[in-house]
Amino acid sequence: QSALTQPPSASGSPGQSVIISCTGTSSDVGGYNSVSWYQQHPGKAPKLIIYEVNKRPSGVPDRFSGSKSGNTASLTVSGLQAEDEADYYCDSYAGSNTIFGGGTKLTVL
Amino acid sequence: EVQLVESGGGLVQPGGSLRLSCAASGFTVSGFWMHWVRQAPGKGLVWVSRIKSDGTTTYADSVKGRFTVSRDNAKNTLYLQVNSLRAEDTAVYYCARVRGGDIAAADYWGQGTLLTVSS
Repeated sequence: QSALTQPPSASGSPGQSVIISCTGTSSDVGGYNSVSWYQQHPGKAPKLIIYEVNKRPSGVPDRFSGSKSGNTASLTVSGLQAEDEADYYCDSYAGSNTIFGGGTKLTVL
Repeated sequence: EVQLVESGGGLVQPGGSLRLSCAASGFTVSGFWMHWVRQAPGKGLVWVSRIKSDGTTTYADSVKGRFTVSRDNAKNTLYLQVNSLRAEDTAVYYCARVRGGDIAAADYWGQGTLLTVSS
């Protein structure tokens, strides 16, 4: 049950785009279309921003998008805004359990 | 409005036990899959346990045999019984609801309850 692999940090200037990767195996990310992404601001609970690889819950800006290729999922944040600065986590269904990524701290420069 | 409110955290000595609660409102706990997820201070999210709507439970290897998830349908409350506690169990524990019809994505989260294991 190893964590999915995410880069520990990412950054971009306002208005730019940033891509955060999430790499697993054929037993989790590659085996199911059940990858989710969460945004967490300091001291707050996580917030779902992407589910089933590329779907957005109601109220989540379309600046956030998701995709998957093989065992790697990606979150793209376009048109970066100051309020996007947060920690981002992916997770994936893995049959008998669920696995989270280690998290990526996104800094808006 | 969907709400999840955790309680029951606190300071416990190594080897001790505690029961964490997650009171739900705005939906029926028994009709959804529910997760427990923890986050050690300054660290990332870690999945702990899941209970399906049919009552089937699964656990992370790190807590298997020590933690037990259950629910009280009459009280619409989820529980996590934590036994044989270790220092590495220190974390904020969140309960979360899995989206209806989904198998993973958690669309509602509680505010978390802090469990500290220390002598």
